[in-house]
Amino acid sequence: SQTIHQWPATLVQPVGSPLSLECTVEGTSNPNLYWYRQAAGRGLQLLFYSVGIGQISSEVPQNLSASRPQDRQFILSSKKLLLSDSGFYLCAWRRPRDHTEAFFGQGTRLTVV
Amino acid sequence: EDKVVQSPLSLVVHEGDTVTLNCSYEVTNFRSLLWYKQEKKAPTFLFMLTSSGIEKKSGRLSSILDKKELFSILNITATQTGDSAIYLCAVESGTSYGKLTFGQGTILTVHP
Repeated sequence: SQTIHQWPATLVQPVGSPLSLECTVEGTSNPNLYWYRQAAGRGLQLLFYSVGIGQISSEVPQNLSASRPQDRQFILSSKKLLLSDSGFYLCAWRRPRDHTEAFFGQGTRLTVV
Repeated sequence: EDKVVQSPLSLVVHEGDTVTLNCSYEVTNFRSLLWYKQEKKAPTFLFMLTSSGIEKKSGRLSSILDKKELFSILNITATQTGDSAIYLCAVESGTSYGKLTFGQGTILTVHP
């Protein structure tokens, strides 16, 4: 069966510090991978998605970047965090080319202070 | 640019009420529409709709898609306090392969 791991669960970082959030998927190959951010009690804002290694589509110009160094690994990064980067970050995966649902990780609560 | 709009943004009802949540969309080359329920952390999948007029049903929840008018509804009958959650709608675009765009969600609160 397939599983998705996302860590850390919570993170408190000072303004100006770097960020690295990691997401890995097990039990499938060549998944579509997604990073979303969610403000408190609101919908999911698509940040990045990837349909293959090294293929990253960016949806929102901002202080963040994403990389996919391996087939089942998706990393969200920042060189210098801003207060506005605070939020709940969710990673998700989906089987390629099929009409199937996306499966979500448990999320990372990031607070920039 | 793909757009998904949900309404209402929030809703407060009492147990036993029936609710209808709305999702309208504007995407290029529509592929599918998905509904999710989010209680605490990870959203959990409810339905995926690809064809107009075919109702999907699971217990007290049901959903239908209208591809002509570009919207979907999610119905919950005989609501329970456990239905309290954020309900999210997402649409997949066929033009930008793999892109899955979510709406802003509907916060449903069910009081005993």
